[in-house]
Amino acid sequence: AQSVTQPDIHITVSEGASLELRCNYSYGATPYLFWYVQSPGQGLQLLLKYFSGDTLVQGIKGFEAEFKRSQSSFNLRKPSVHWSDAAEYFCAVAFAGGTSYGKLTFGQGTILTVHP
Amino acid sequence: NAGVTQTPKFQVLKTGQSMTLQCAQDMNHEYMSWYRQDPGMGLRLIHYSVGAGITDQGEVPNGYNVSRSTTEDFPLRLLSAAPSQTSVYFCASRGSSFGTQYFGPGTRLLVL
Repeated sequence: AQSVTQPDIHITVSEGASLELRCNYSYGATPYLFWYVQSPGQGLQLLLKYFSGDTLVQGIKGFEAEFKRSQSSFNLRKPSVHWSDAAEYFCAVAFAGGTSYGKLTFGQGTILTVHP
Repeated sequence: NAGVTQTPKFQVLKTGQSMTLQCAQDMNHEYMSWYRQDPGMGLRLIHYSVGAGITDQGEVPNGYNVSRSTTEDFPLRLLSAAPSQTSVYFCASRGSSFGTQYFGPGTRLLVL
């Protein structure tokens, strides 16, 4: 079965510092990759997605992510974090093959705290 | 264009009671899903639908029923609520298999 792992439950950074949130997936089929952000008490908002082509994708709010097939990873990055980036971040994967076709599987989430 | 709407926003139930969580979308999306969110577990798929009249089970379907009589609506029914169903429930929709998924604001459910 497909699975998604976000190794870091909670990350704390200082405002202005760089950020990298990790995401690893497992399954053999072609992955479709997503990052979502959830502010407290809110629903989920799509930050960016990767379907094919350039493995470095740009998203909203200055975020980017890089797909590395050899490492089964899709890490989210931002060069300079703002206090408003404090939220919970979810990596999600869908696959084009097998019985899991099109189903979206989410990681456990990473809570980001930003210190002033 | 309201996107995905969910009602109620918050509900308290007693064990054994039944209720229906409502979800509607006005984007003419074929794909709709229900997730539950629990601390440290991310979002887990309960049921999903790929069009009116077509539904299937997700990862955690036990204790929940769904139906899809129209493209717009996808209600989730709790048949006999249990404390283990205390959670935040999100409805989502998308226009194609791998299209952007839009989420509703969530329903916070407490089962006593």
